[in-house]
Amino acid sequence: KNEVEQSPQNLTAQEGEFITINCSYSVGISALHWLQQHPGGGIVSLFMLSSGKKKHGRLIATINIQEKHSSLHITASHPRDSAVYICAVKNSGAGSYQLTFGKGTKLSVIP
Amino acid sequence: GAGVSQSPSNKVTEKGKDVELRCDPISGHTALYWYRQSLGQGLEFLIYFQGNSAPDKSGLPSDRFSAERTGGSVSTLTIQRTQQEDSAVYLCASSLGLGSSYEQYFGPGTRLTVT
Repeated sequence: KNEVEQSPQNLTAQEGEFITINCSYSVGISALHWLQQHPGGGIVSLFMLSSGKKKHGRLIATINIQEKHSSLHITASHPRDSAVYICAVKNSGAGSYQLTFGKGTKLSVIP
Repeated sequence: GAGVSQSPSNKVTEKGKDVELRCDPISGHTALYWYRQSLGQGLEFLIYFQGNSAPDKSGLPSDRFSAERTGGSVSTLTIQRTQQEDSAVYLCASSLGLGSSYEQYFGPGTRLTVT
């Protein structure tokens, strides 16, 4: 079973700060997802990646397959970025279609 | 277009009663997934469907849980003889297909409270 660890568990930042959330996993994967969950809201998929780097607006996600590590960066953070960010991995190997989730990082951006 | 929808959005039930949770995936999505998020816990996988078939039921926590999908579309998650530990948000997701290249789209969830 893949163990997915996220850090930090909680993060408070001032508006405008550069934010990094980390995710590490124990077993080889075929894909990694970064998800965003607002309080009382549903889950939105931010990125799905299996190698390299992806950028969408102020969000950047990177993955290092050899080191089994991914990071989510938020540039010029804003209070509306306040949410729980969840890392999820899809194991490699035949028949592995379920996601294994980290426990999430709760981000609060203060004006 | 329409996203994944789930109903009801909230359900309060008495311990011992059966409940049915419904998921309407995005039209054309052949893969459908059920997840559970308990208070203070992370998300956990329950079951997935490819078409109407559920090849992997390993995540279902007990035999009180079952799920079906008909017509390759709507899915129902049934919990029999509910217990207080079943209280959680139940999330459904769908994707165009299985495999690592397909992104999952999540529904808003059903919050189940067992009293």
